Amino acid sequence: DGGITQSPKYLFRKEGQNVTLSCEQNLNHDAMYWYRQDPGQGLRLIYYSQIVNDFQKGDIAEGYSVSREKKESFPLTVTSAQKNPTAFYLCASSSSSGGAYNEQFFGPGTRLTVL
Amino acid sequence: DQQVKQNSPSLSVQEGRISILNCDYTNSMFDYFLWYKKYPAEGPTFLISISSIKDKNEDGRFTVFLNKSAKHLSLHIVPSQPGDSAVYFCAGRWGGYQKVTFGIGTKLQVIP
Repeated sequence: DGGITQSPKYLFRKEGQNVTLSCEQNLNHDAMYWYRQDPGQGLRLIYYSQIVNDFQKGDIAEGYSVSREKKESFPLTVTSAQKNPTAFYLCASSSSSGGAYNEQFFGPGTRLTVL
Repeated sequence: DQQVKQNSPSLSVQEGRISILNCDYTNSMFDYFLWYKKYPAEGPTFLISISSIKDKNEDGRFTVFLNKSAKHLSLHIVPSQPGDSAVYFCAGRWGGYQKVTFGIGTKLQVIP
């Protein structure tokens, strides 16, 4: 089945530790995204990538880092510099075009809790 | 700066009736507007979109209306079904690419 996989579903880390969230897609999409959801905040864009080996900061990139070495994978690292890392993290992908809107397909999300 | 505003955090509707979810925006550069639906502990799923040059788009029970002069859009669900109970996010796309700005969502409850 084509889709987006995020693992793990729940993740616990101690304060001060870096943690990497996995995101894999087999939809052959060029573009991938990371969002964060907090209560009452909606979805906020952390980073996005239009193509392999290229990525751009979103609205709340501070304290996060990403890589895009393969088309299928877009891991997100939450560093110790992120002040409030506890949140629900969503990865998405889409076809990349400058024309009509191409829907973003979302993964099931990872809930990160920093203790 | 909230470019996309959903001022109603929740809405309750009887099954079979119409659900109307509202959204206001401030960014005149949005070229597409979108609605996503989200169940708890799942990722959002795309529902419907509308180009900024249109004023209406319909897909089955879902219709989105756009009023550019008022910078307002709404999603109509007719008839509402219990399975429609979810959080609905309004969003705008700008930059000619897929970068999307989401609102905070409206939780819809359809009562059987």
